[in-house]
Amino acid sequence: GIQVEQSPPDLILQEGANSTLRCNFSDSVNNLQWFHQNPWGQLINLFYIPSGTKQNGRLSATTVATERYSLLYISSSQTTDSGVYFCAGDPPGGGADGLTFGKGTHLIIQP
Amino acid sequence: DAGVTQSPTHLIKTRGQHVTLRCSPISGHKSVSWYQQVLGQGPQFIFQYYEKEERGRGNFPDRFSARQFPNYSSELNVNALLLGDSALYLCASSFGVEAFFGQGTRLTVV
Repeated sequence: GIQVEQSPPDLILQEGANSTLRCNFSDSVNNLQWFHQNPWGQLINLFYIPSGTKQNGRLSATTVATERYSLLYISSSQTTDSGVYFCAGDPPGGGADGLTFGKGTHLIIQP
Repeated sequence: DAGVTQSPTHLIKTRGQHVTLRCSPISGHKSVSWYQQVLGQGPQFIFQYYEKEERGRGNFPDRFSARQFPNYSSELNVNALLLGDSALYLCASSFGVEAFFGQGTRLTVV
């Protein structure tokens, strides 16, 4: 199966800072998604972004499918942005193998 | 609209017991998938069901089984629980290609 590498594994920032989280895939993926896992464990959908760039408020994401990576940008960080960020995708050939997740980036925003 | 709902939210079981976890998908979603997330790791795929049929299975032992009902809700069953089965179990539903997750069931095996 595909391998998903996320970097950095941990990130501590002051409130107001900007950050870039990266996700590399070992092979082509379909249906790339970014999630934020809150302290209670729920995965919150941030972006469905198989290719291109999307923006939603202070968050934006870019996927370069031909180079097998995706970036998540967080601007003007707030303490509520703290948590674990995951990227995930389906291996080629369809979604019957489920999403393959990275190990996540643990983000801490300090006031 | 209600999101994906899972029950129970927490439970504690003893080694060797059996457990059933439940999931109700978003209205209109016909596909349900199950994931296991152990502490410090990303979720790992267990099963996918679509229209009551198993469409995919991850690398989990036969102690894990699931089914999907006519109303598209789903159950995940785990037999002969081991300490290593302690994890957050997540259910996801999808209509097309984007998956939406429930809040999870946190299972502790003692």
